[in-house]
Amino acid sequence: TQLLEQSPQFLSIQEGENLTVYCNSSSVFSSLQWYRQEPGEGPVLLVTVVTGGEVKKLKRLTFQFGDARKDSSLHITAAQPGDTGLYLCAGASRNMLTFGGGTRLMVKP
Amino acid sequence: DSGVTQTPKHLITATGQRVTLRCSPRSGDLSVYWYQQSLDQGLQFLIQYYNGEERAKGNILERFSAQQFPDLHSELNLSSLELGDSALYFCASSVWGNNNEKLFFGSGTQLSVL
Repeated sequence: TQLLEQSPQFLSIQEGENLTVYCNSSSVFSSLQWYRQEPGEGPVLLVTVVTGGEVKKLKRLTFQFGDARKDSSLHITAAQPGDTGLYLCAGASRNMLTFGGGTRLMVKP
Repeated sequence: DSGVTQTPKHLITATGQRVTLRCSPRSGDLSVYWYQQSLDQGLQFLIQYYNGEERAKGNILERFSAQQFPDLHSELNLSSLELGDSALYFCASSVWGNNNEKLFFGSGTQLSVL
């Protein structure tokens, strides 16, 4: 069974702070996706990283795929209340997409 | 709006009962996935269909079954329900069913087993 460990599980910060969420595994993935889920809704894809060492930026969000394609990080700069939600990483391999347990982020105004 | 429709949005039932959850994928998507989300287990993959055929199976209990119909909609059947089956059940769809593809998720069905 491939496991994706996300840390931290919960994060509560003030508006304007920076934060980093981690997604780690002992398995190699062909690609890794990051989703954000808001209450009452399904997850929505933010980004897909494919190449080891790849860095992608989406406004204030920076995503990095580890060189060995086993881990990834999401960095948010100057967090805003609208960033509040559950952040999920998902690793793709063979015929399956495995989700991590998620990081629940709350950004307080 | 993801384009994936799930019904019903909420379902309350009793232990031992059987329920059917329904999913209509995004127009043009051939593959449907079912996930279970609970507070202590995260998002767990149950099963995937592609163009009517089962493609991959995850942690789906024998009490659960699913199918994808010729019009590509899918149903997830949960039987002999237990309290622990209470969870959010999500359907997602993608065009080709490849694991690198973007998944479009529905808003989920909240199942409460009392």
